[in-house]
Amino acid sequence: GAVVSQHPSRVICKSGTSVKIECRSLDFQATTMFWYRQFPKQSLMLMATSNEGSKATYEQGVEKDKFLINHASLTLSTLTVTSAHPEDSSFYICSTNSGGTDTQYFGPGTRLTVL
Amino acid sequence: QKEVEQDPGPLSVPEGAIVSLNCTYSNSAFQYFMWYRQYSRKGPELLMYTYSSGNKEDGRFTAQVDKSSKYISLFIRDSQPSDSATYLCAMRSGNNRLAFGKGNQVVVIP
Repeated sequence: GAVVSQHPSRVICKSGTSVKIECRSLDFQATTMFWYRQFPKQSLMLMATSNEGSKATYEQGVEKDKFLINHASLTLSTLTVTSAHPEDSSFYICSTNSGGTDTQYFGPGTRLTVL
Repeated sequence: QKEVEQDPGPLSVPEGAIVSLNCTYSNSAFQYFMWYRQYSRKGPELLMYTYSSGNKEDGRFTAQVDKSSKYISLFIRDSQPSDSATYLCAMRSGNNRLAFGKGNQVVVIP
């Protein structure tokens, strides 16, 4: 399957700071990337769909000014959690379709803890 | 009613037993059905992908889809301790937006 990486794998920050998470597709060009959030013992919730060269599409209830998404190249999408608060602590996972297929492949996830 | 229903379990089985997992869904537009395995603190890993009713087998894993009943299943034969993980069903219609079940935690006891 496709290879997707995320960085960092874990981050701890103070309340009020901003955190950037990177998602890279390593072996193909990804025009679309998806960002999910997963709380403990819960399923994955789609936050936004990131399209290369255009604005991201956010799901209902997700604040676009708080969760900034940039998809500047075909191999990199970034999610920035601005002014993070403890309730933003979660597991953030990106995914993308391998070129020419319908299936989504996921990155290893980033665990964010906001103190 | 949620789009996808999956009993979160947990489910404990002895090594060698058959694990049976299932999901139901309400959106008849769903055409593509997937099962993902997620180990603790890791991203989901695609296990099975089907797009029609019937069975699909891959090694010890069998995925079943019954579109008339809006019901999908995953069977794991000869379960191993390394199969201990959370299993998530996922499905989508023509676009790429996936709808996930809550996930089913499976523990295989040696």
